[in-house]
Amino acid sequence: QPQLQESGPGLVKPSETLSLTCTVSGDSISSSYNYWAWIRQPPGKGLEWIGSIYYRGNMYYNPSLKSRISMSVDTSKNQFSLNVMSVTAADTAFYYCAREAISNGFHEVDYWGQGTLVSVSS
Amino acid sequence: QSVLTQPPSASGTPGQRVTISCSGSNTNIGRSTVNWYQQVPGAAPKVLIFTNSQRPSGVPDRFSGSKSGTSASLAISGLQSEDEADYFCAVWDDDLNGHYVFGTGTKVTVL
Repeated sequence: QPQLQESGPGLVKPSETLSLTCTVSGDSISSSYNYWAWIRQPPGKGLEWIGSIYYRGNMYYNPSLKSRISMSVDTSKNQFSLNVMSVTAADTAFYYCAREAISNGFHEVDYWGQGTLVSVSS
Repeated sequence: QSVLTQPPSASGTPGQRVTISCSGSNTNIGRSTVNWYQQVPGAAPKVLIFTNSQRPSGVPDRFSGSKSGTSASLAISGLQSEDEADYFCAVWDDDLNGHYVFGTGTKVTVL
């Protein structure tokens, strides 16, 4: 079973960039069958998919966040990363990294990291 | 605002059957496979049902999923106290170049 672990600052100032990294173990990030996703959840609220990236760099984005998001993959470290630019208090959330399996052409998020809380505050 | 609509809450007594609906559209549920997640307080979500009706190993068979047209359902038979949690449906949406969407979530309470 793959395991995913998020890392990054727990506090970011407004207007700055939120940066997180996900380290994957038990699976290769270069697998042909998976994308690697970011999902967030404001405290007490629902889940919001941010985007996902393939090891070759192909990406999908949440249309509402696309202008502020960038993602990258480091296959040598079996890691992928997320940047959210120009953050505001509305970006305060638990951030999860996850595996997005491709099954019969369909995307299905199956394995999740434990999540990390990122607060946006001055 | 999510494009997948779920009832905000559902409840039942131990042993009862509870059903949660997930309503979507032709660009998401109508075209793709539905997944369901369970999230207990303080924990990350975990997959409960994938590909409309498949259970990962370790998920009790009292959980079942189905899909018809642009809607999907999760049923919990023989409700147990440990089933008290939030439940989310999710699906790939082909609209706007493609993206994954989650339902609004349903809080299940065991009375």
